[in-house]
Amino acid sequence: KAGVTQTPRYLIKTRGQQVTLSCSPISGHRSVSWYQQTPGQGLQFLFEYFSETQRNKGNFPGRFSGRQFSNSRSEMNVSTLELGDSALYLCASSLQSGEGEKLFFGSGTQLSVL
Amino acid sequence: GENVEQHPSTLSVQEGDSAVIKCTYSDSASNYFPWYKQELGKRPQLIIDIRSNVGEKKDQRIAVTLNKTAKHFSLHITETQPEDSAVYFCAAGDSWGKLQFGAGTQVVVTP
Repeated sequence: KAGVTQTPRYLIKTRGQQVTLSCSPISGHRSVSWYQQTPGQGLQFLFEYFSETQRNKGNFPGRFSGRQFSNSRSEMNVSTLELGDSALYLCASSLQSGEGEKLFFGSGTQLSVL
Repeated sequence: GENVEQHPSTLSVQEGDSAVIKCTYSDSASNYFPWYKQELGKRPQLIIDIRSNVGEKKDQRIAVTLNKTAKHFSLHITETQPEDSAVYFCAAGDSWGKLQFGAGTQVVVTP
């Protein structure tokens, strides 16, 4: 079974631009969560999608948005990029949504904002 | 919301010794506590998890303990080996399934 796939692997953008990241979950998994990872900050929760609906949301500004398609693939969009958005963006999938679901992470997209 | 604190931020141990990482959480409704290991340049991977109806769980050289009253849980690695070198993250899950992660512990096992 293929793991969680994220594209692209690396991305370089400039301030003010917008970016779209993609995540394909493990086959059969219906929930996709997104995390931002920066050195010393750990993994900060962005949002979770389940059955094309946003189920949970973290404390990030509205510039960060996402969506999920009927095949459970998910995209994350960041508009008006800032230098501080430079980070590794990880997505994780799980079979269902809810307490105790095991997360399986992708390799991430490394975003650099210049 | 949930807040998870993790200590220490770095941990250096001699090969063969034990390593202990501690986490505390704030939301008393949290019932699920997984631990993830992230090797350099790789994705985080679940290594062990525990639910609130269990006080301790062991899997070969790793074990987790949970004290719900004190709201803290710990990861214990015995007989450490160089391949245990990685960043370890604890997390606490709320009833919605949202995981709040700790800031991570860099473990270095020296031969």
